[in-house]
Amino acid sequence: GENVEQHPSTLSVQEGDSAVIKCTYSDSASNYFPWYKQELGKRPQLIIDIRSNVGEKKDQRIAVTLNKTAKHFSLHITETQPEDSAVYFCAASTNSNYQLIWGAGTKLIIKP
Amino acid sequence: SAVISQKPSRDICQRGTSLTIQCQVDSQVTMMFWYRQQPGQSLTLIATANQGSEATYESGFVIDKFPISRPNLTFSTLTVSNMSPEDSSIYLCSVLQTGLYGYTFGSGTRLTVV
Repeated sequence: GENVEQHPSTLSVQEGDSAVIKCTYSDSASNYFPWYKQELGKRPQLIIDIRSNVGEKKDQRIAVTLNKTAKHFSLHITETQPEDSAVYFCAASTNSNYQLIWGAGTKLIIKP
Repeated sequence: SAVISQKPSRDICQRGTSLTIQCQVDSQVTMMFWYRQQPGQSLTLIATANQGSEATYESGFVIDKFPISRPNLTFSTLTVSNMSPEDSSIYLCSVLQTGLYGYTFGSGTRLTVV
């Protein structure tokens, strides 16, 4: 079955710097790749997603890139701010059952 | 996106009892899922709630322990049966809206079994 690996598990960056989180997936049939942000005690919130027919998508300070050949996708956050501190999860799904397969999560710490 | 009302938000239960968690959506959705999340960990899919038929359970989860109902396209319940302290966790419902790829989550139920 599908497996999603996420790295790093913890990422500490200086405020204003960029942060990059990477995920790899195993099922070549995966065609949808969302990223979720989860603040402590709250529900996961979708921040950006990408489909397999697109290589890159950007929304203000957040971007996601997808390399289908290598089966990996990455989240890029530029000009990080204290409110970016949270746990970020990547996920992947296919059209067969629409289940999301989740990465283990990355705790992002923004240092003032 | 869909608005989800999940109840209760938290509960403390005695071992051996059961708790039913409700998930109500403000619009019809294609699919509904139930997850469990231990503190500091990723989400684990319990089952896919199927409208009008038995839920589809993931490995390690069984219907006798986690019975699920989904009588229509906007409502589902998850029951945690015969609870033990190991069932203490956060339980989340999630929906996939018709025609869209986005998955939205309920606010979660924090369950503590004593």
